[in-house]
Amino acid sequence: DAGITQSPRHKVTETGTPVTLRCHQTENHRYMYWYRQDPGHGLRLIHYSYGVKDTDKGEVSDGYSVSRSKTEDFLLTLESATSSQTSVYFCAISPSAGELGDGYTFGSGTRLTVV
Amino acid sequence: GESVGLHLPTLSVQEGDNSIINCAYSNSASDYFIWYKQESGKGPQFIIDIRSNMDKRQGQRVTVLLNKTVKHLSLQIAATQPGDSAVYFCAENTGGFKTIFGAGTRLFVKA
Repeated sequence: DAGITQSPRHKVTETGTPVTLRCHQTENHRYMYWYRQDPGHGLRLIHYSYGVKDTDKGEVSDGYSVSRSKTEDFLLTLESATSSQTSVYFCAISPSAGELGDGYTFGSGTRLTVV
Repeated sequence: GESVGLHLPTLSVQEGDNSIINCAYSNSASDYFIWYKQESGKGPQFIIDIRSNMDKRQGQRVTVLLNKTVKHLSLQIAATQPGDSAVYFCAENTGGFKTIFGAGTRLFVKA
């Protein structure tokens, strides 16, 4: 996954604790996204960003917040982790919003387990 | 690796044969469609895309066909190889940032 790095790769946390996942890109792409992937639900958009300090909610944003203070970093925070947030989280980047040839580049994912 | 799905539709093909993976999309207003490949333990990887004003688009060993009349999308892989074994997702976009991913199809390539 050249140009995009997620950290950590794996995390186990306790219910009620805050958790922050990091996405770092070196492609200078304007658009960044956080998805979660669960069996039976596929990939669902949590939040996205269309520029520094410009973010918006996706379809499953409850319990999550994001921040983008610089182009290369997009942080996802679980304010108070719950077991329903156990999932694999993917960050994605794109240079445009829907231009032909500009599909998303995804990171390798973070497997989060909330116990 | 990460679990992608427990009960995905599955396609099994012989190495060297052509594969056709089908997808029905939901929104007639969708104007941009994308295919992704996901190997076990990795993030999805962009394969090819197509806009609603096109019927067909070709890449290297892959072709995407779009039939807007029946809201159907297909991905054709020529001369399928063992490295093509993965889960394939179609995705639709109605404009802006609302990209909706399908549940995926698992492709097995038999040597």
